[in-house]
Amino acid sequence: EIVLTQSPGTLSLSPGERATLACRASQSVSSNYLAWYQQKPGQAPRLLIYGASSRATGIPDRFSGSGSGTDFTLTISRLEPEDFAVYYCQQYGSSPYSFGQGTKLEIK
Amino acid sequence: QITLKESGPTLVKPTQTLTLTCTFSGLSLRTSGVGVGWIRQPPGKALEWLAVIYWNDDKRYSPPLKSRLTITKDTSKNQVVLNMTNMDPVDTATYFCAHRDFWSGYWAYWGQGTLVTVSS
Repeated sequence: EIVLTQSPGTLSLSPGERATLACRASQSVSSNYLAWYQQKPGQAPRLLIYGASSRATGIPDRFSGSGSGTDFTLTISRLEPEDFAVYYCQQYGSSPYSFGQGTKLEIK
Repeated sequence: QITLKESGPTLVKPTQTLTLTCTFSGLSLRTSGVGVGWIRQPPGKALEWLAVIYWNDDKRYSPPLKSRLTITKDTSKNQVVLNMTNMDPVDTATYFCAHRDFWSGYWAYWGQGTLVTVSS
């Protein structure tokens, strides 16, 4: 089973700033099948990035993903007020399709 | 347009069996590559993947919960059912169903979730 560790646990930034979120896997993620989700209170997760770096349909280009193997990054280039939420990474290359513990992005 | 919706009890007692139904539209489990699965989230905690079933009836389960979970499909009703036995208060969570495209692999479409509380 692949364990995903996200850092930091909480990130405090201001609108307009750049956010960098990390996700580290305990072993290499098959085919770089790594996704990022955004979740707001009371809502289902929303797919942002798949295949480590491909944006899902309708996702603004300020969201970008990078990385391969065991180290992955989600970058939000200029934070908008609606971006403050919890972000999860998930590997879907091999069952069980584990999630990270999340990074809370909060307004500073 | 793909939509999924979870239904089931909001309250179950400890030791009981939970039965949740995911009803979907815009996709079919008769179609090659289609999968539907379950993910849960305890209040204030992280997402936890539980199980998935595919068009070919292949099933995968979370190893620590495998003995308690059964996932089945009813293709005529466009439904997937998850049974979880021996419920405990630690199983209190919002349960989501979601669509997985087997060929691309990712989980793009999610239901709104249903909160299940385990309490006597």
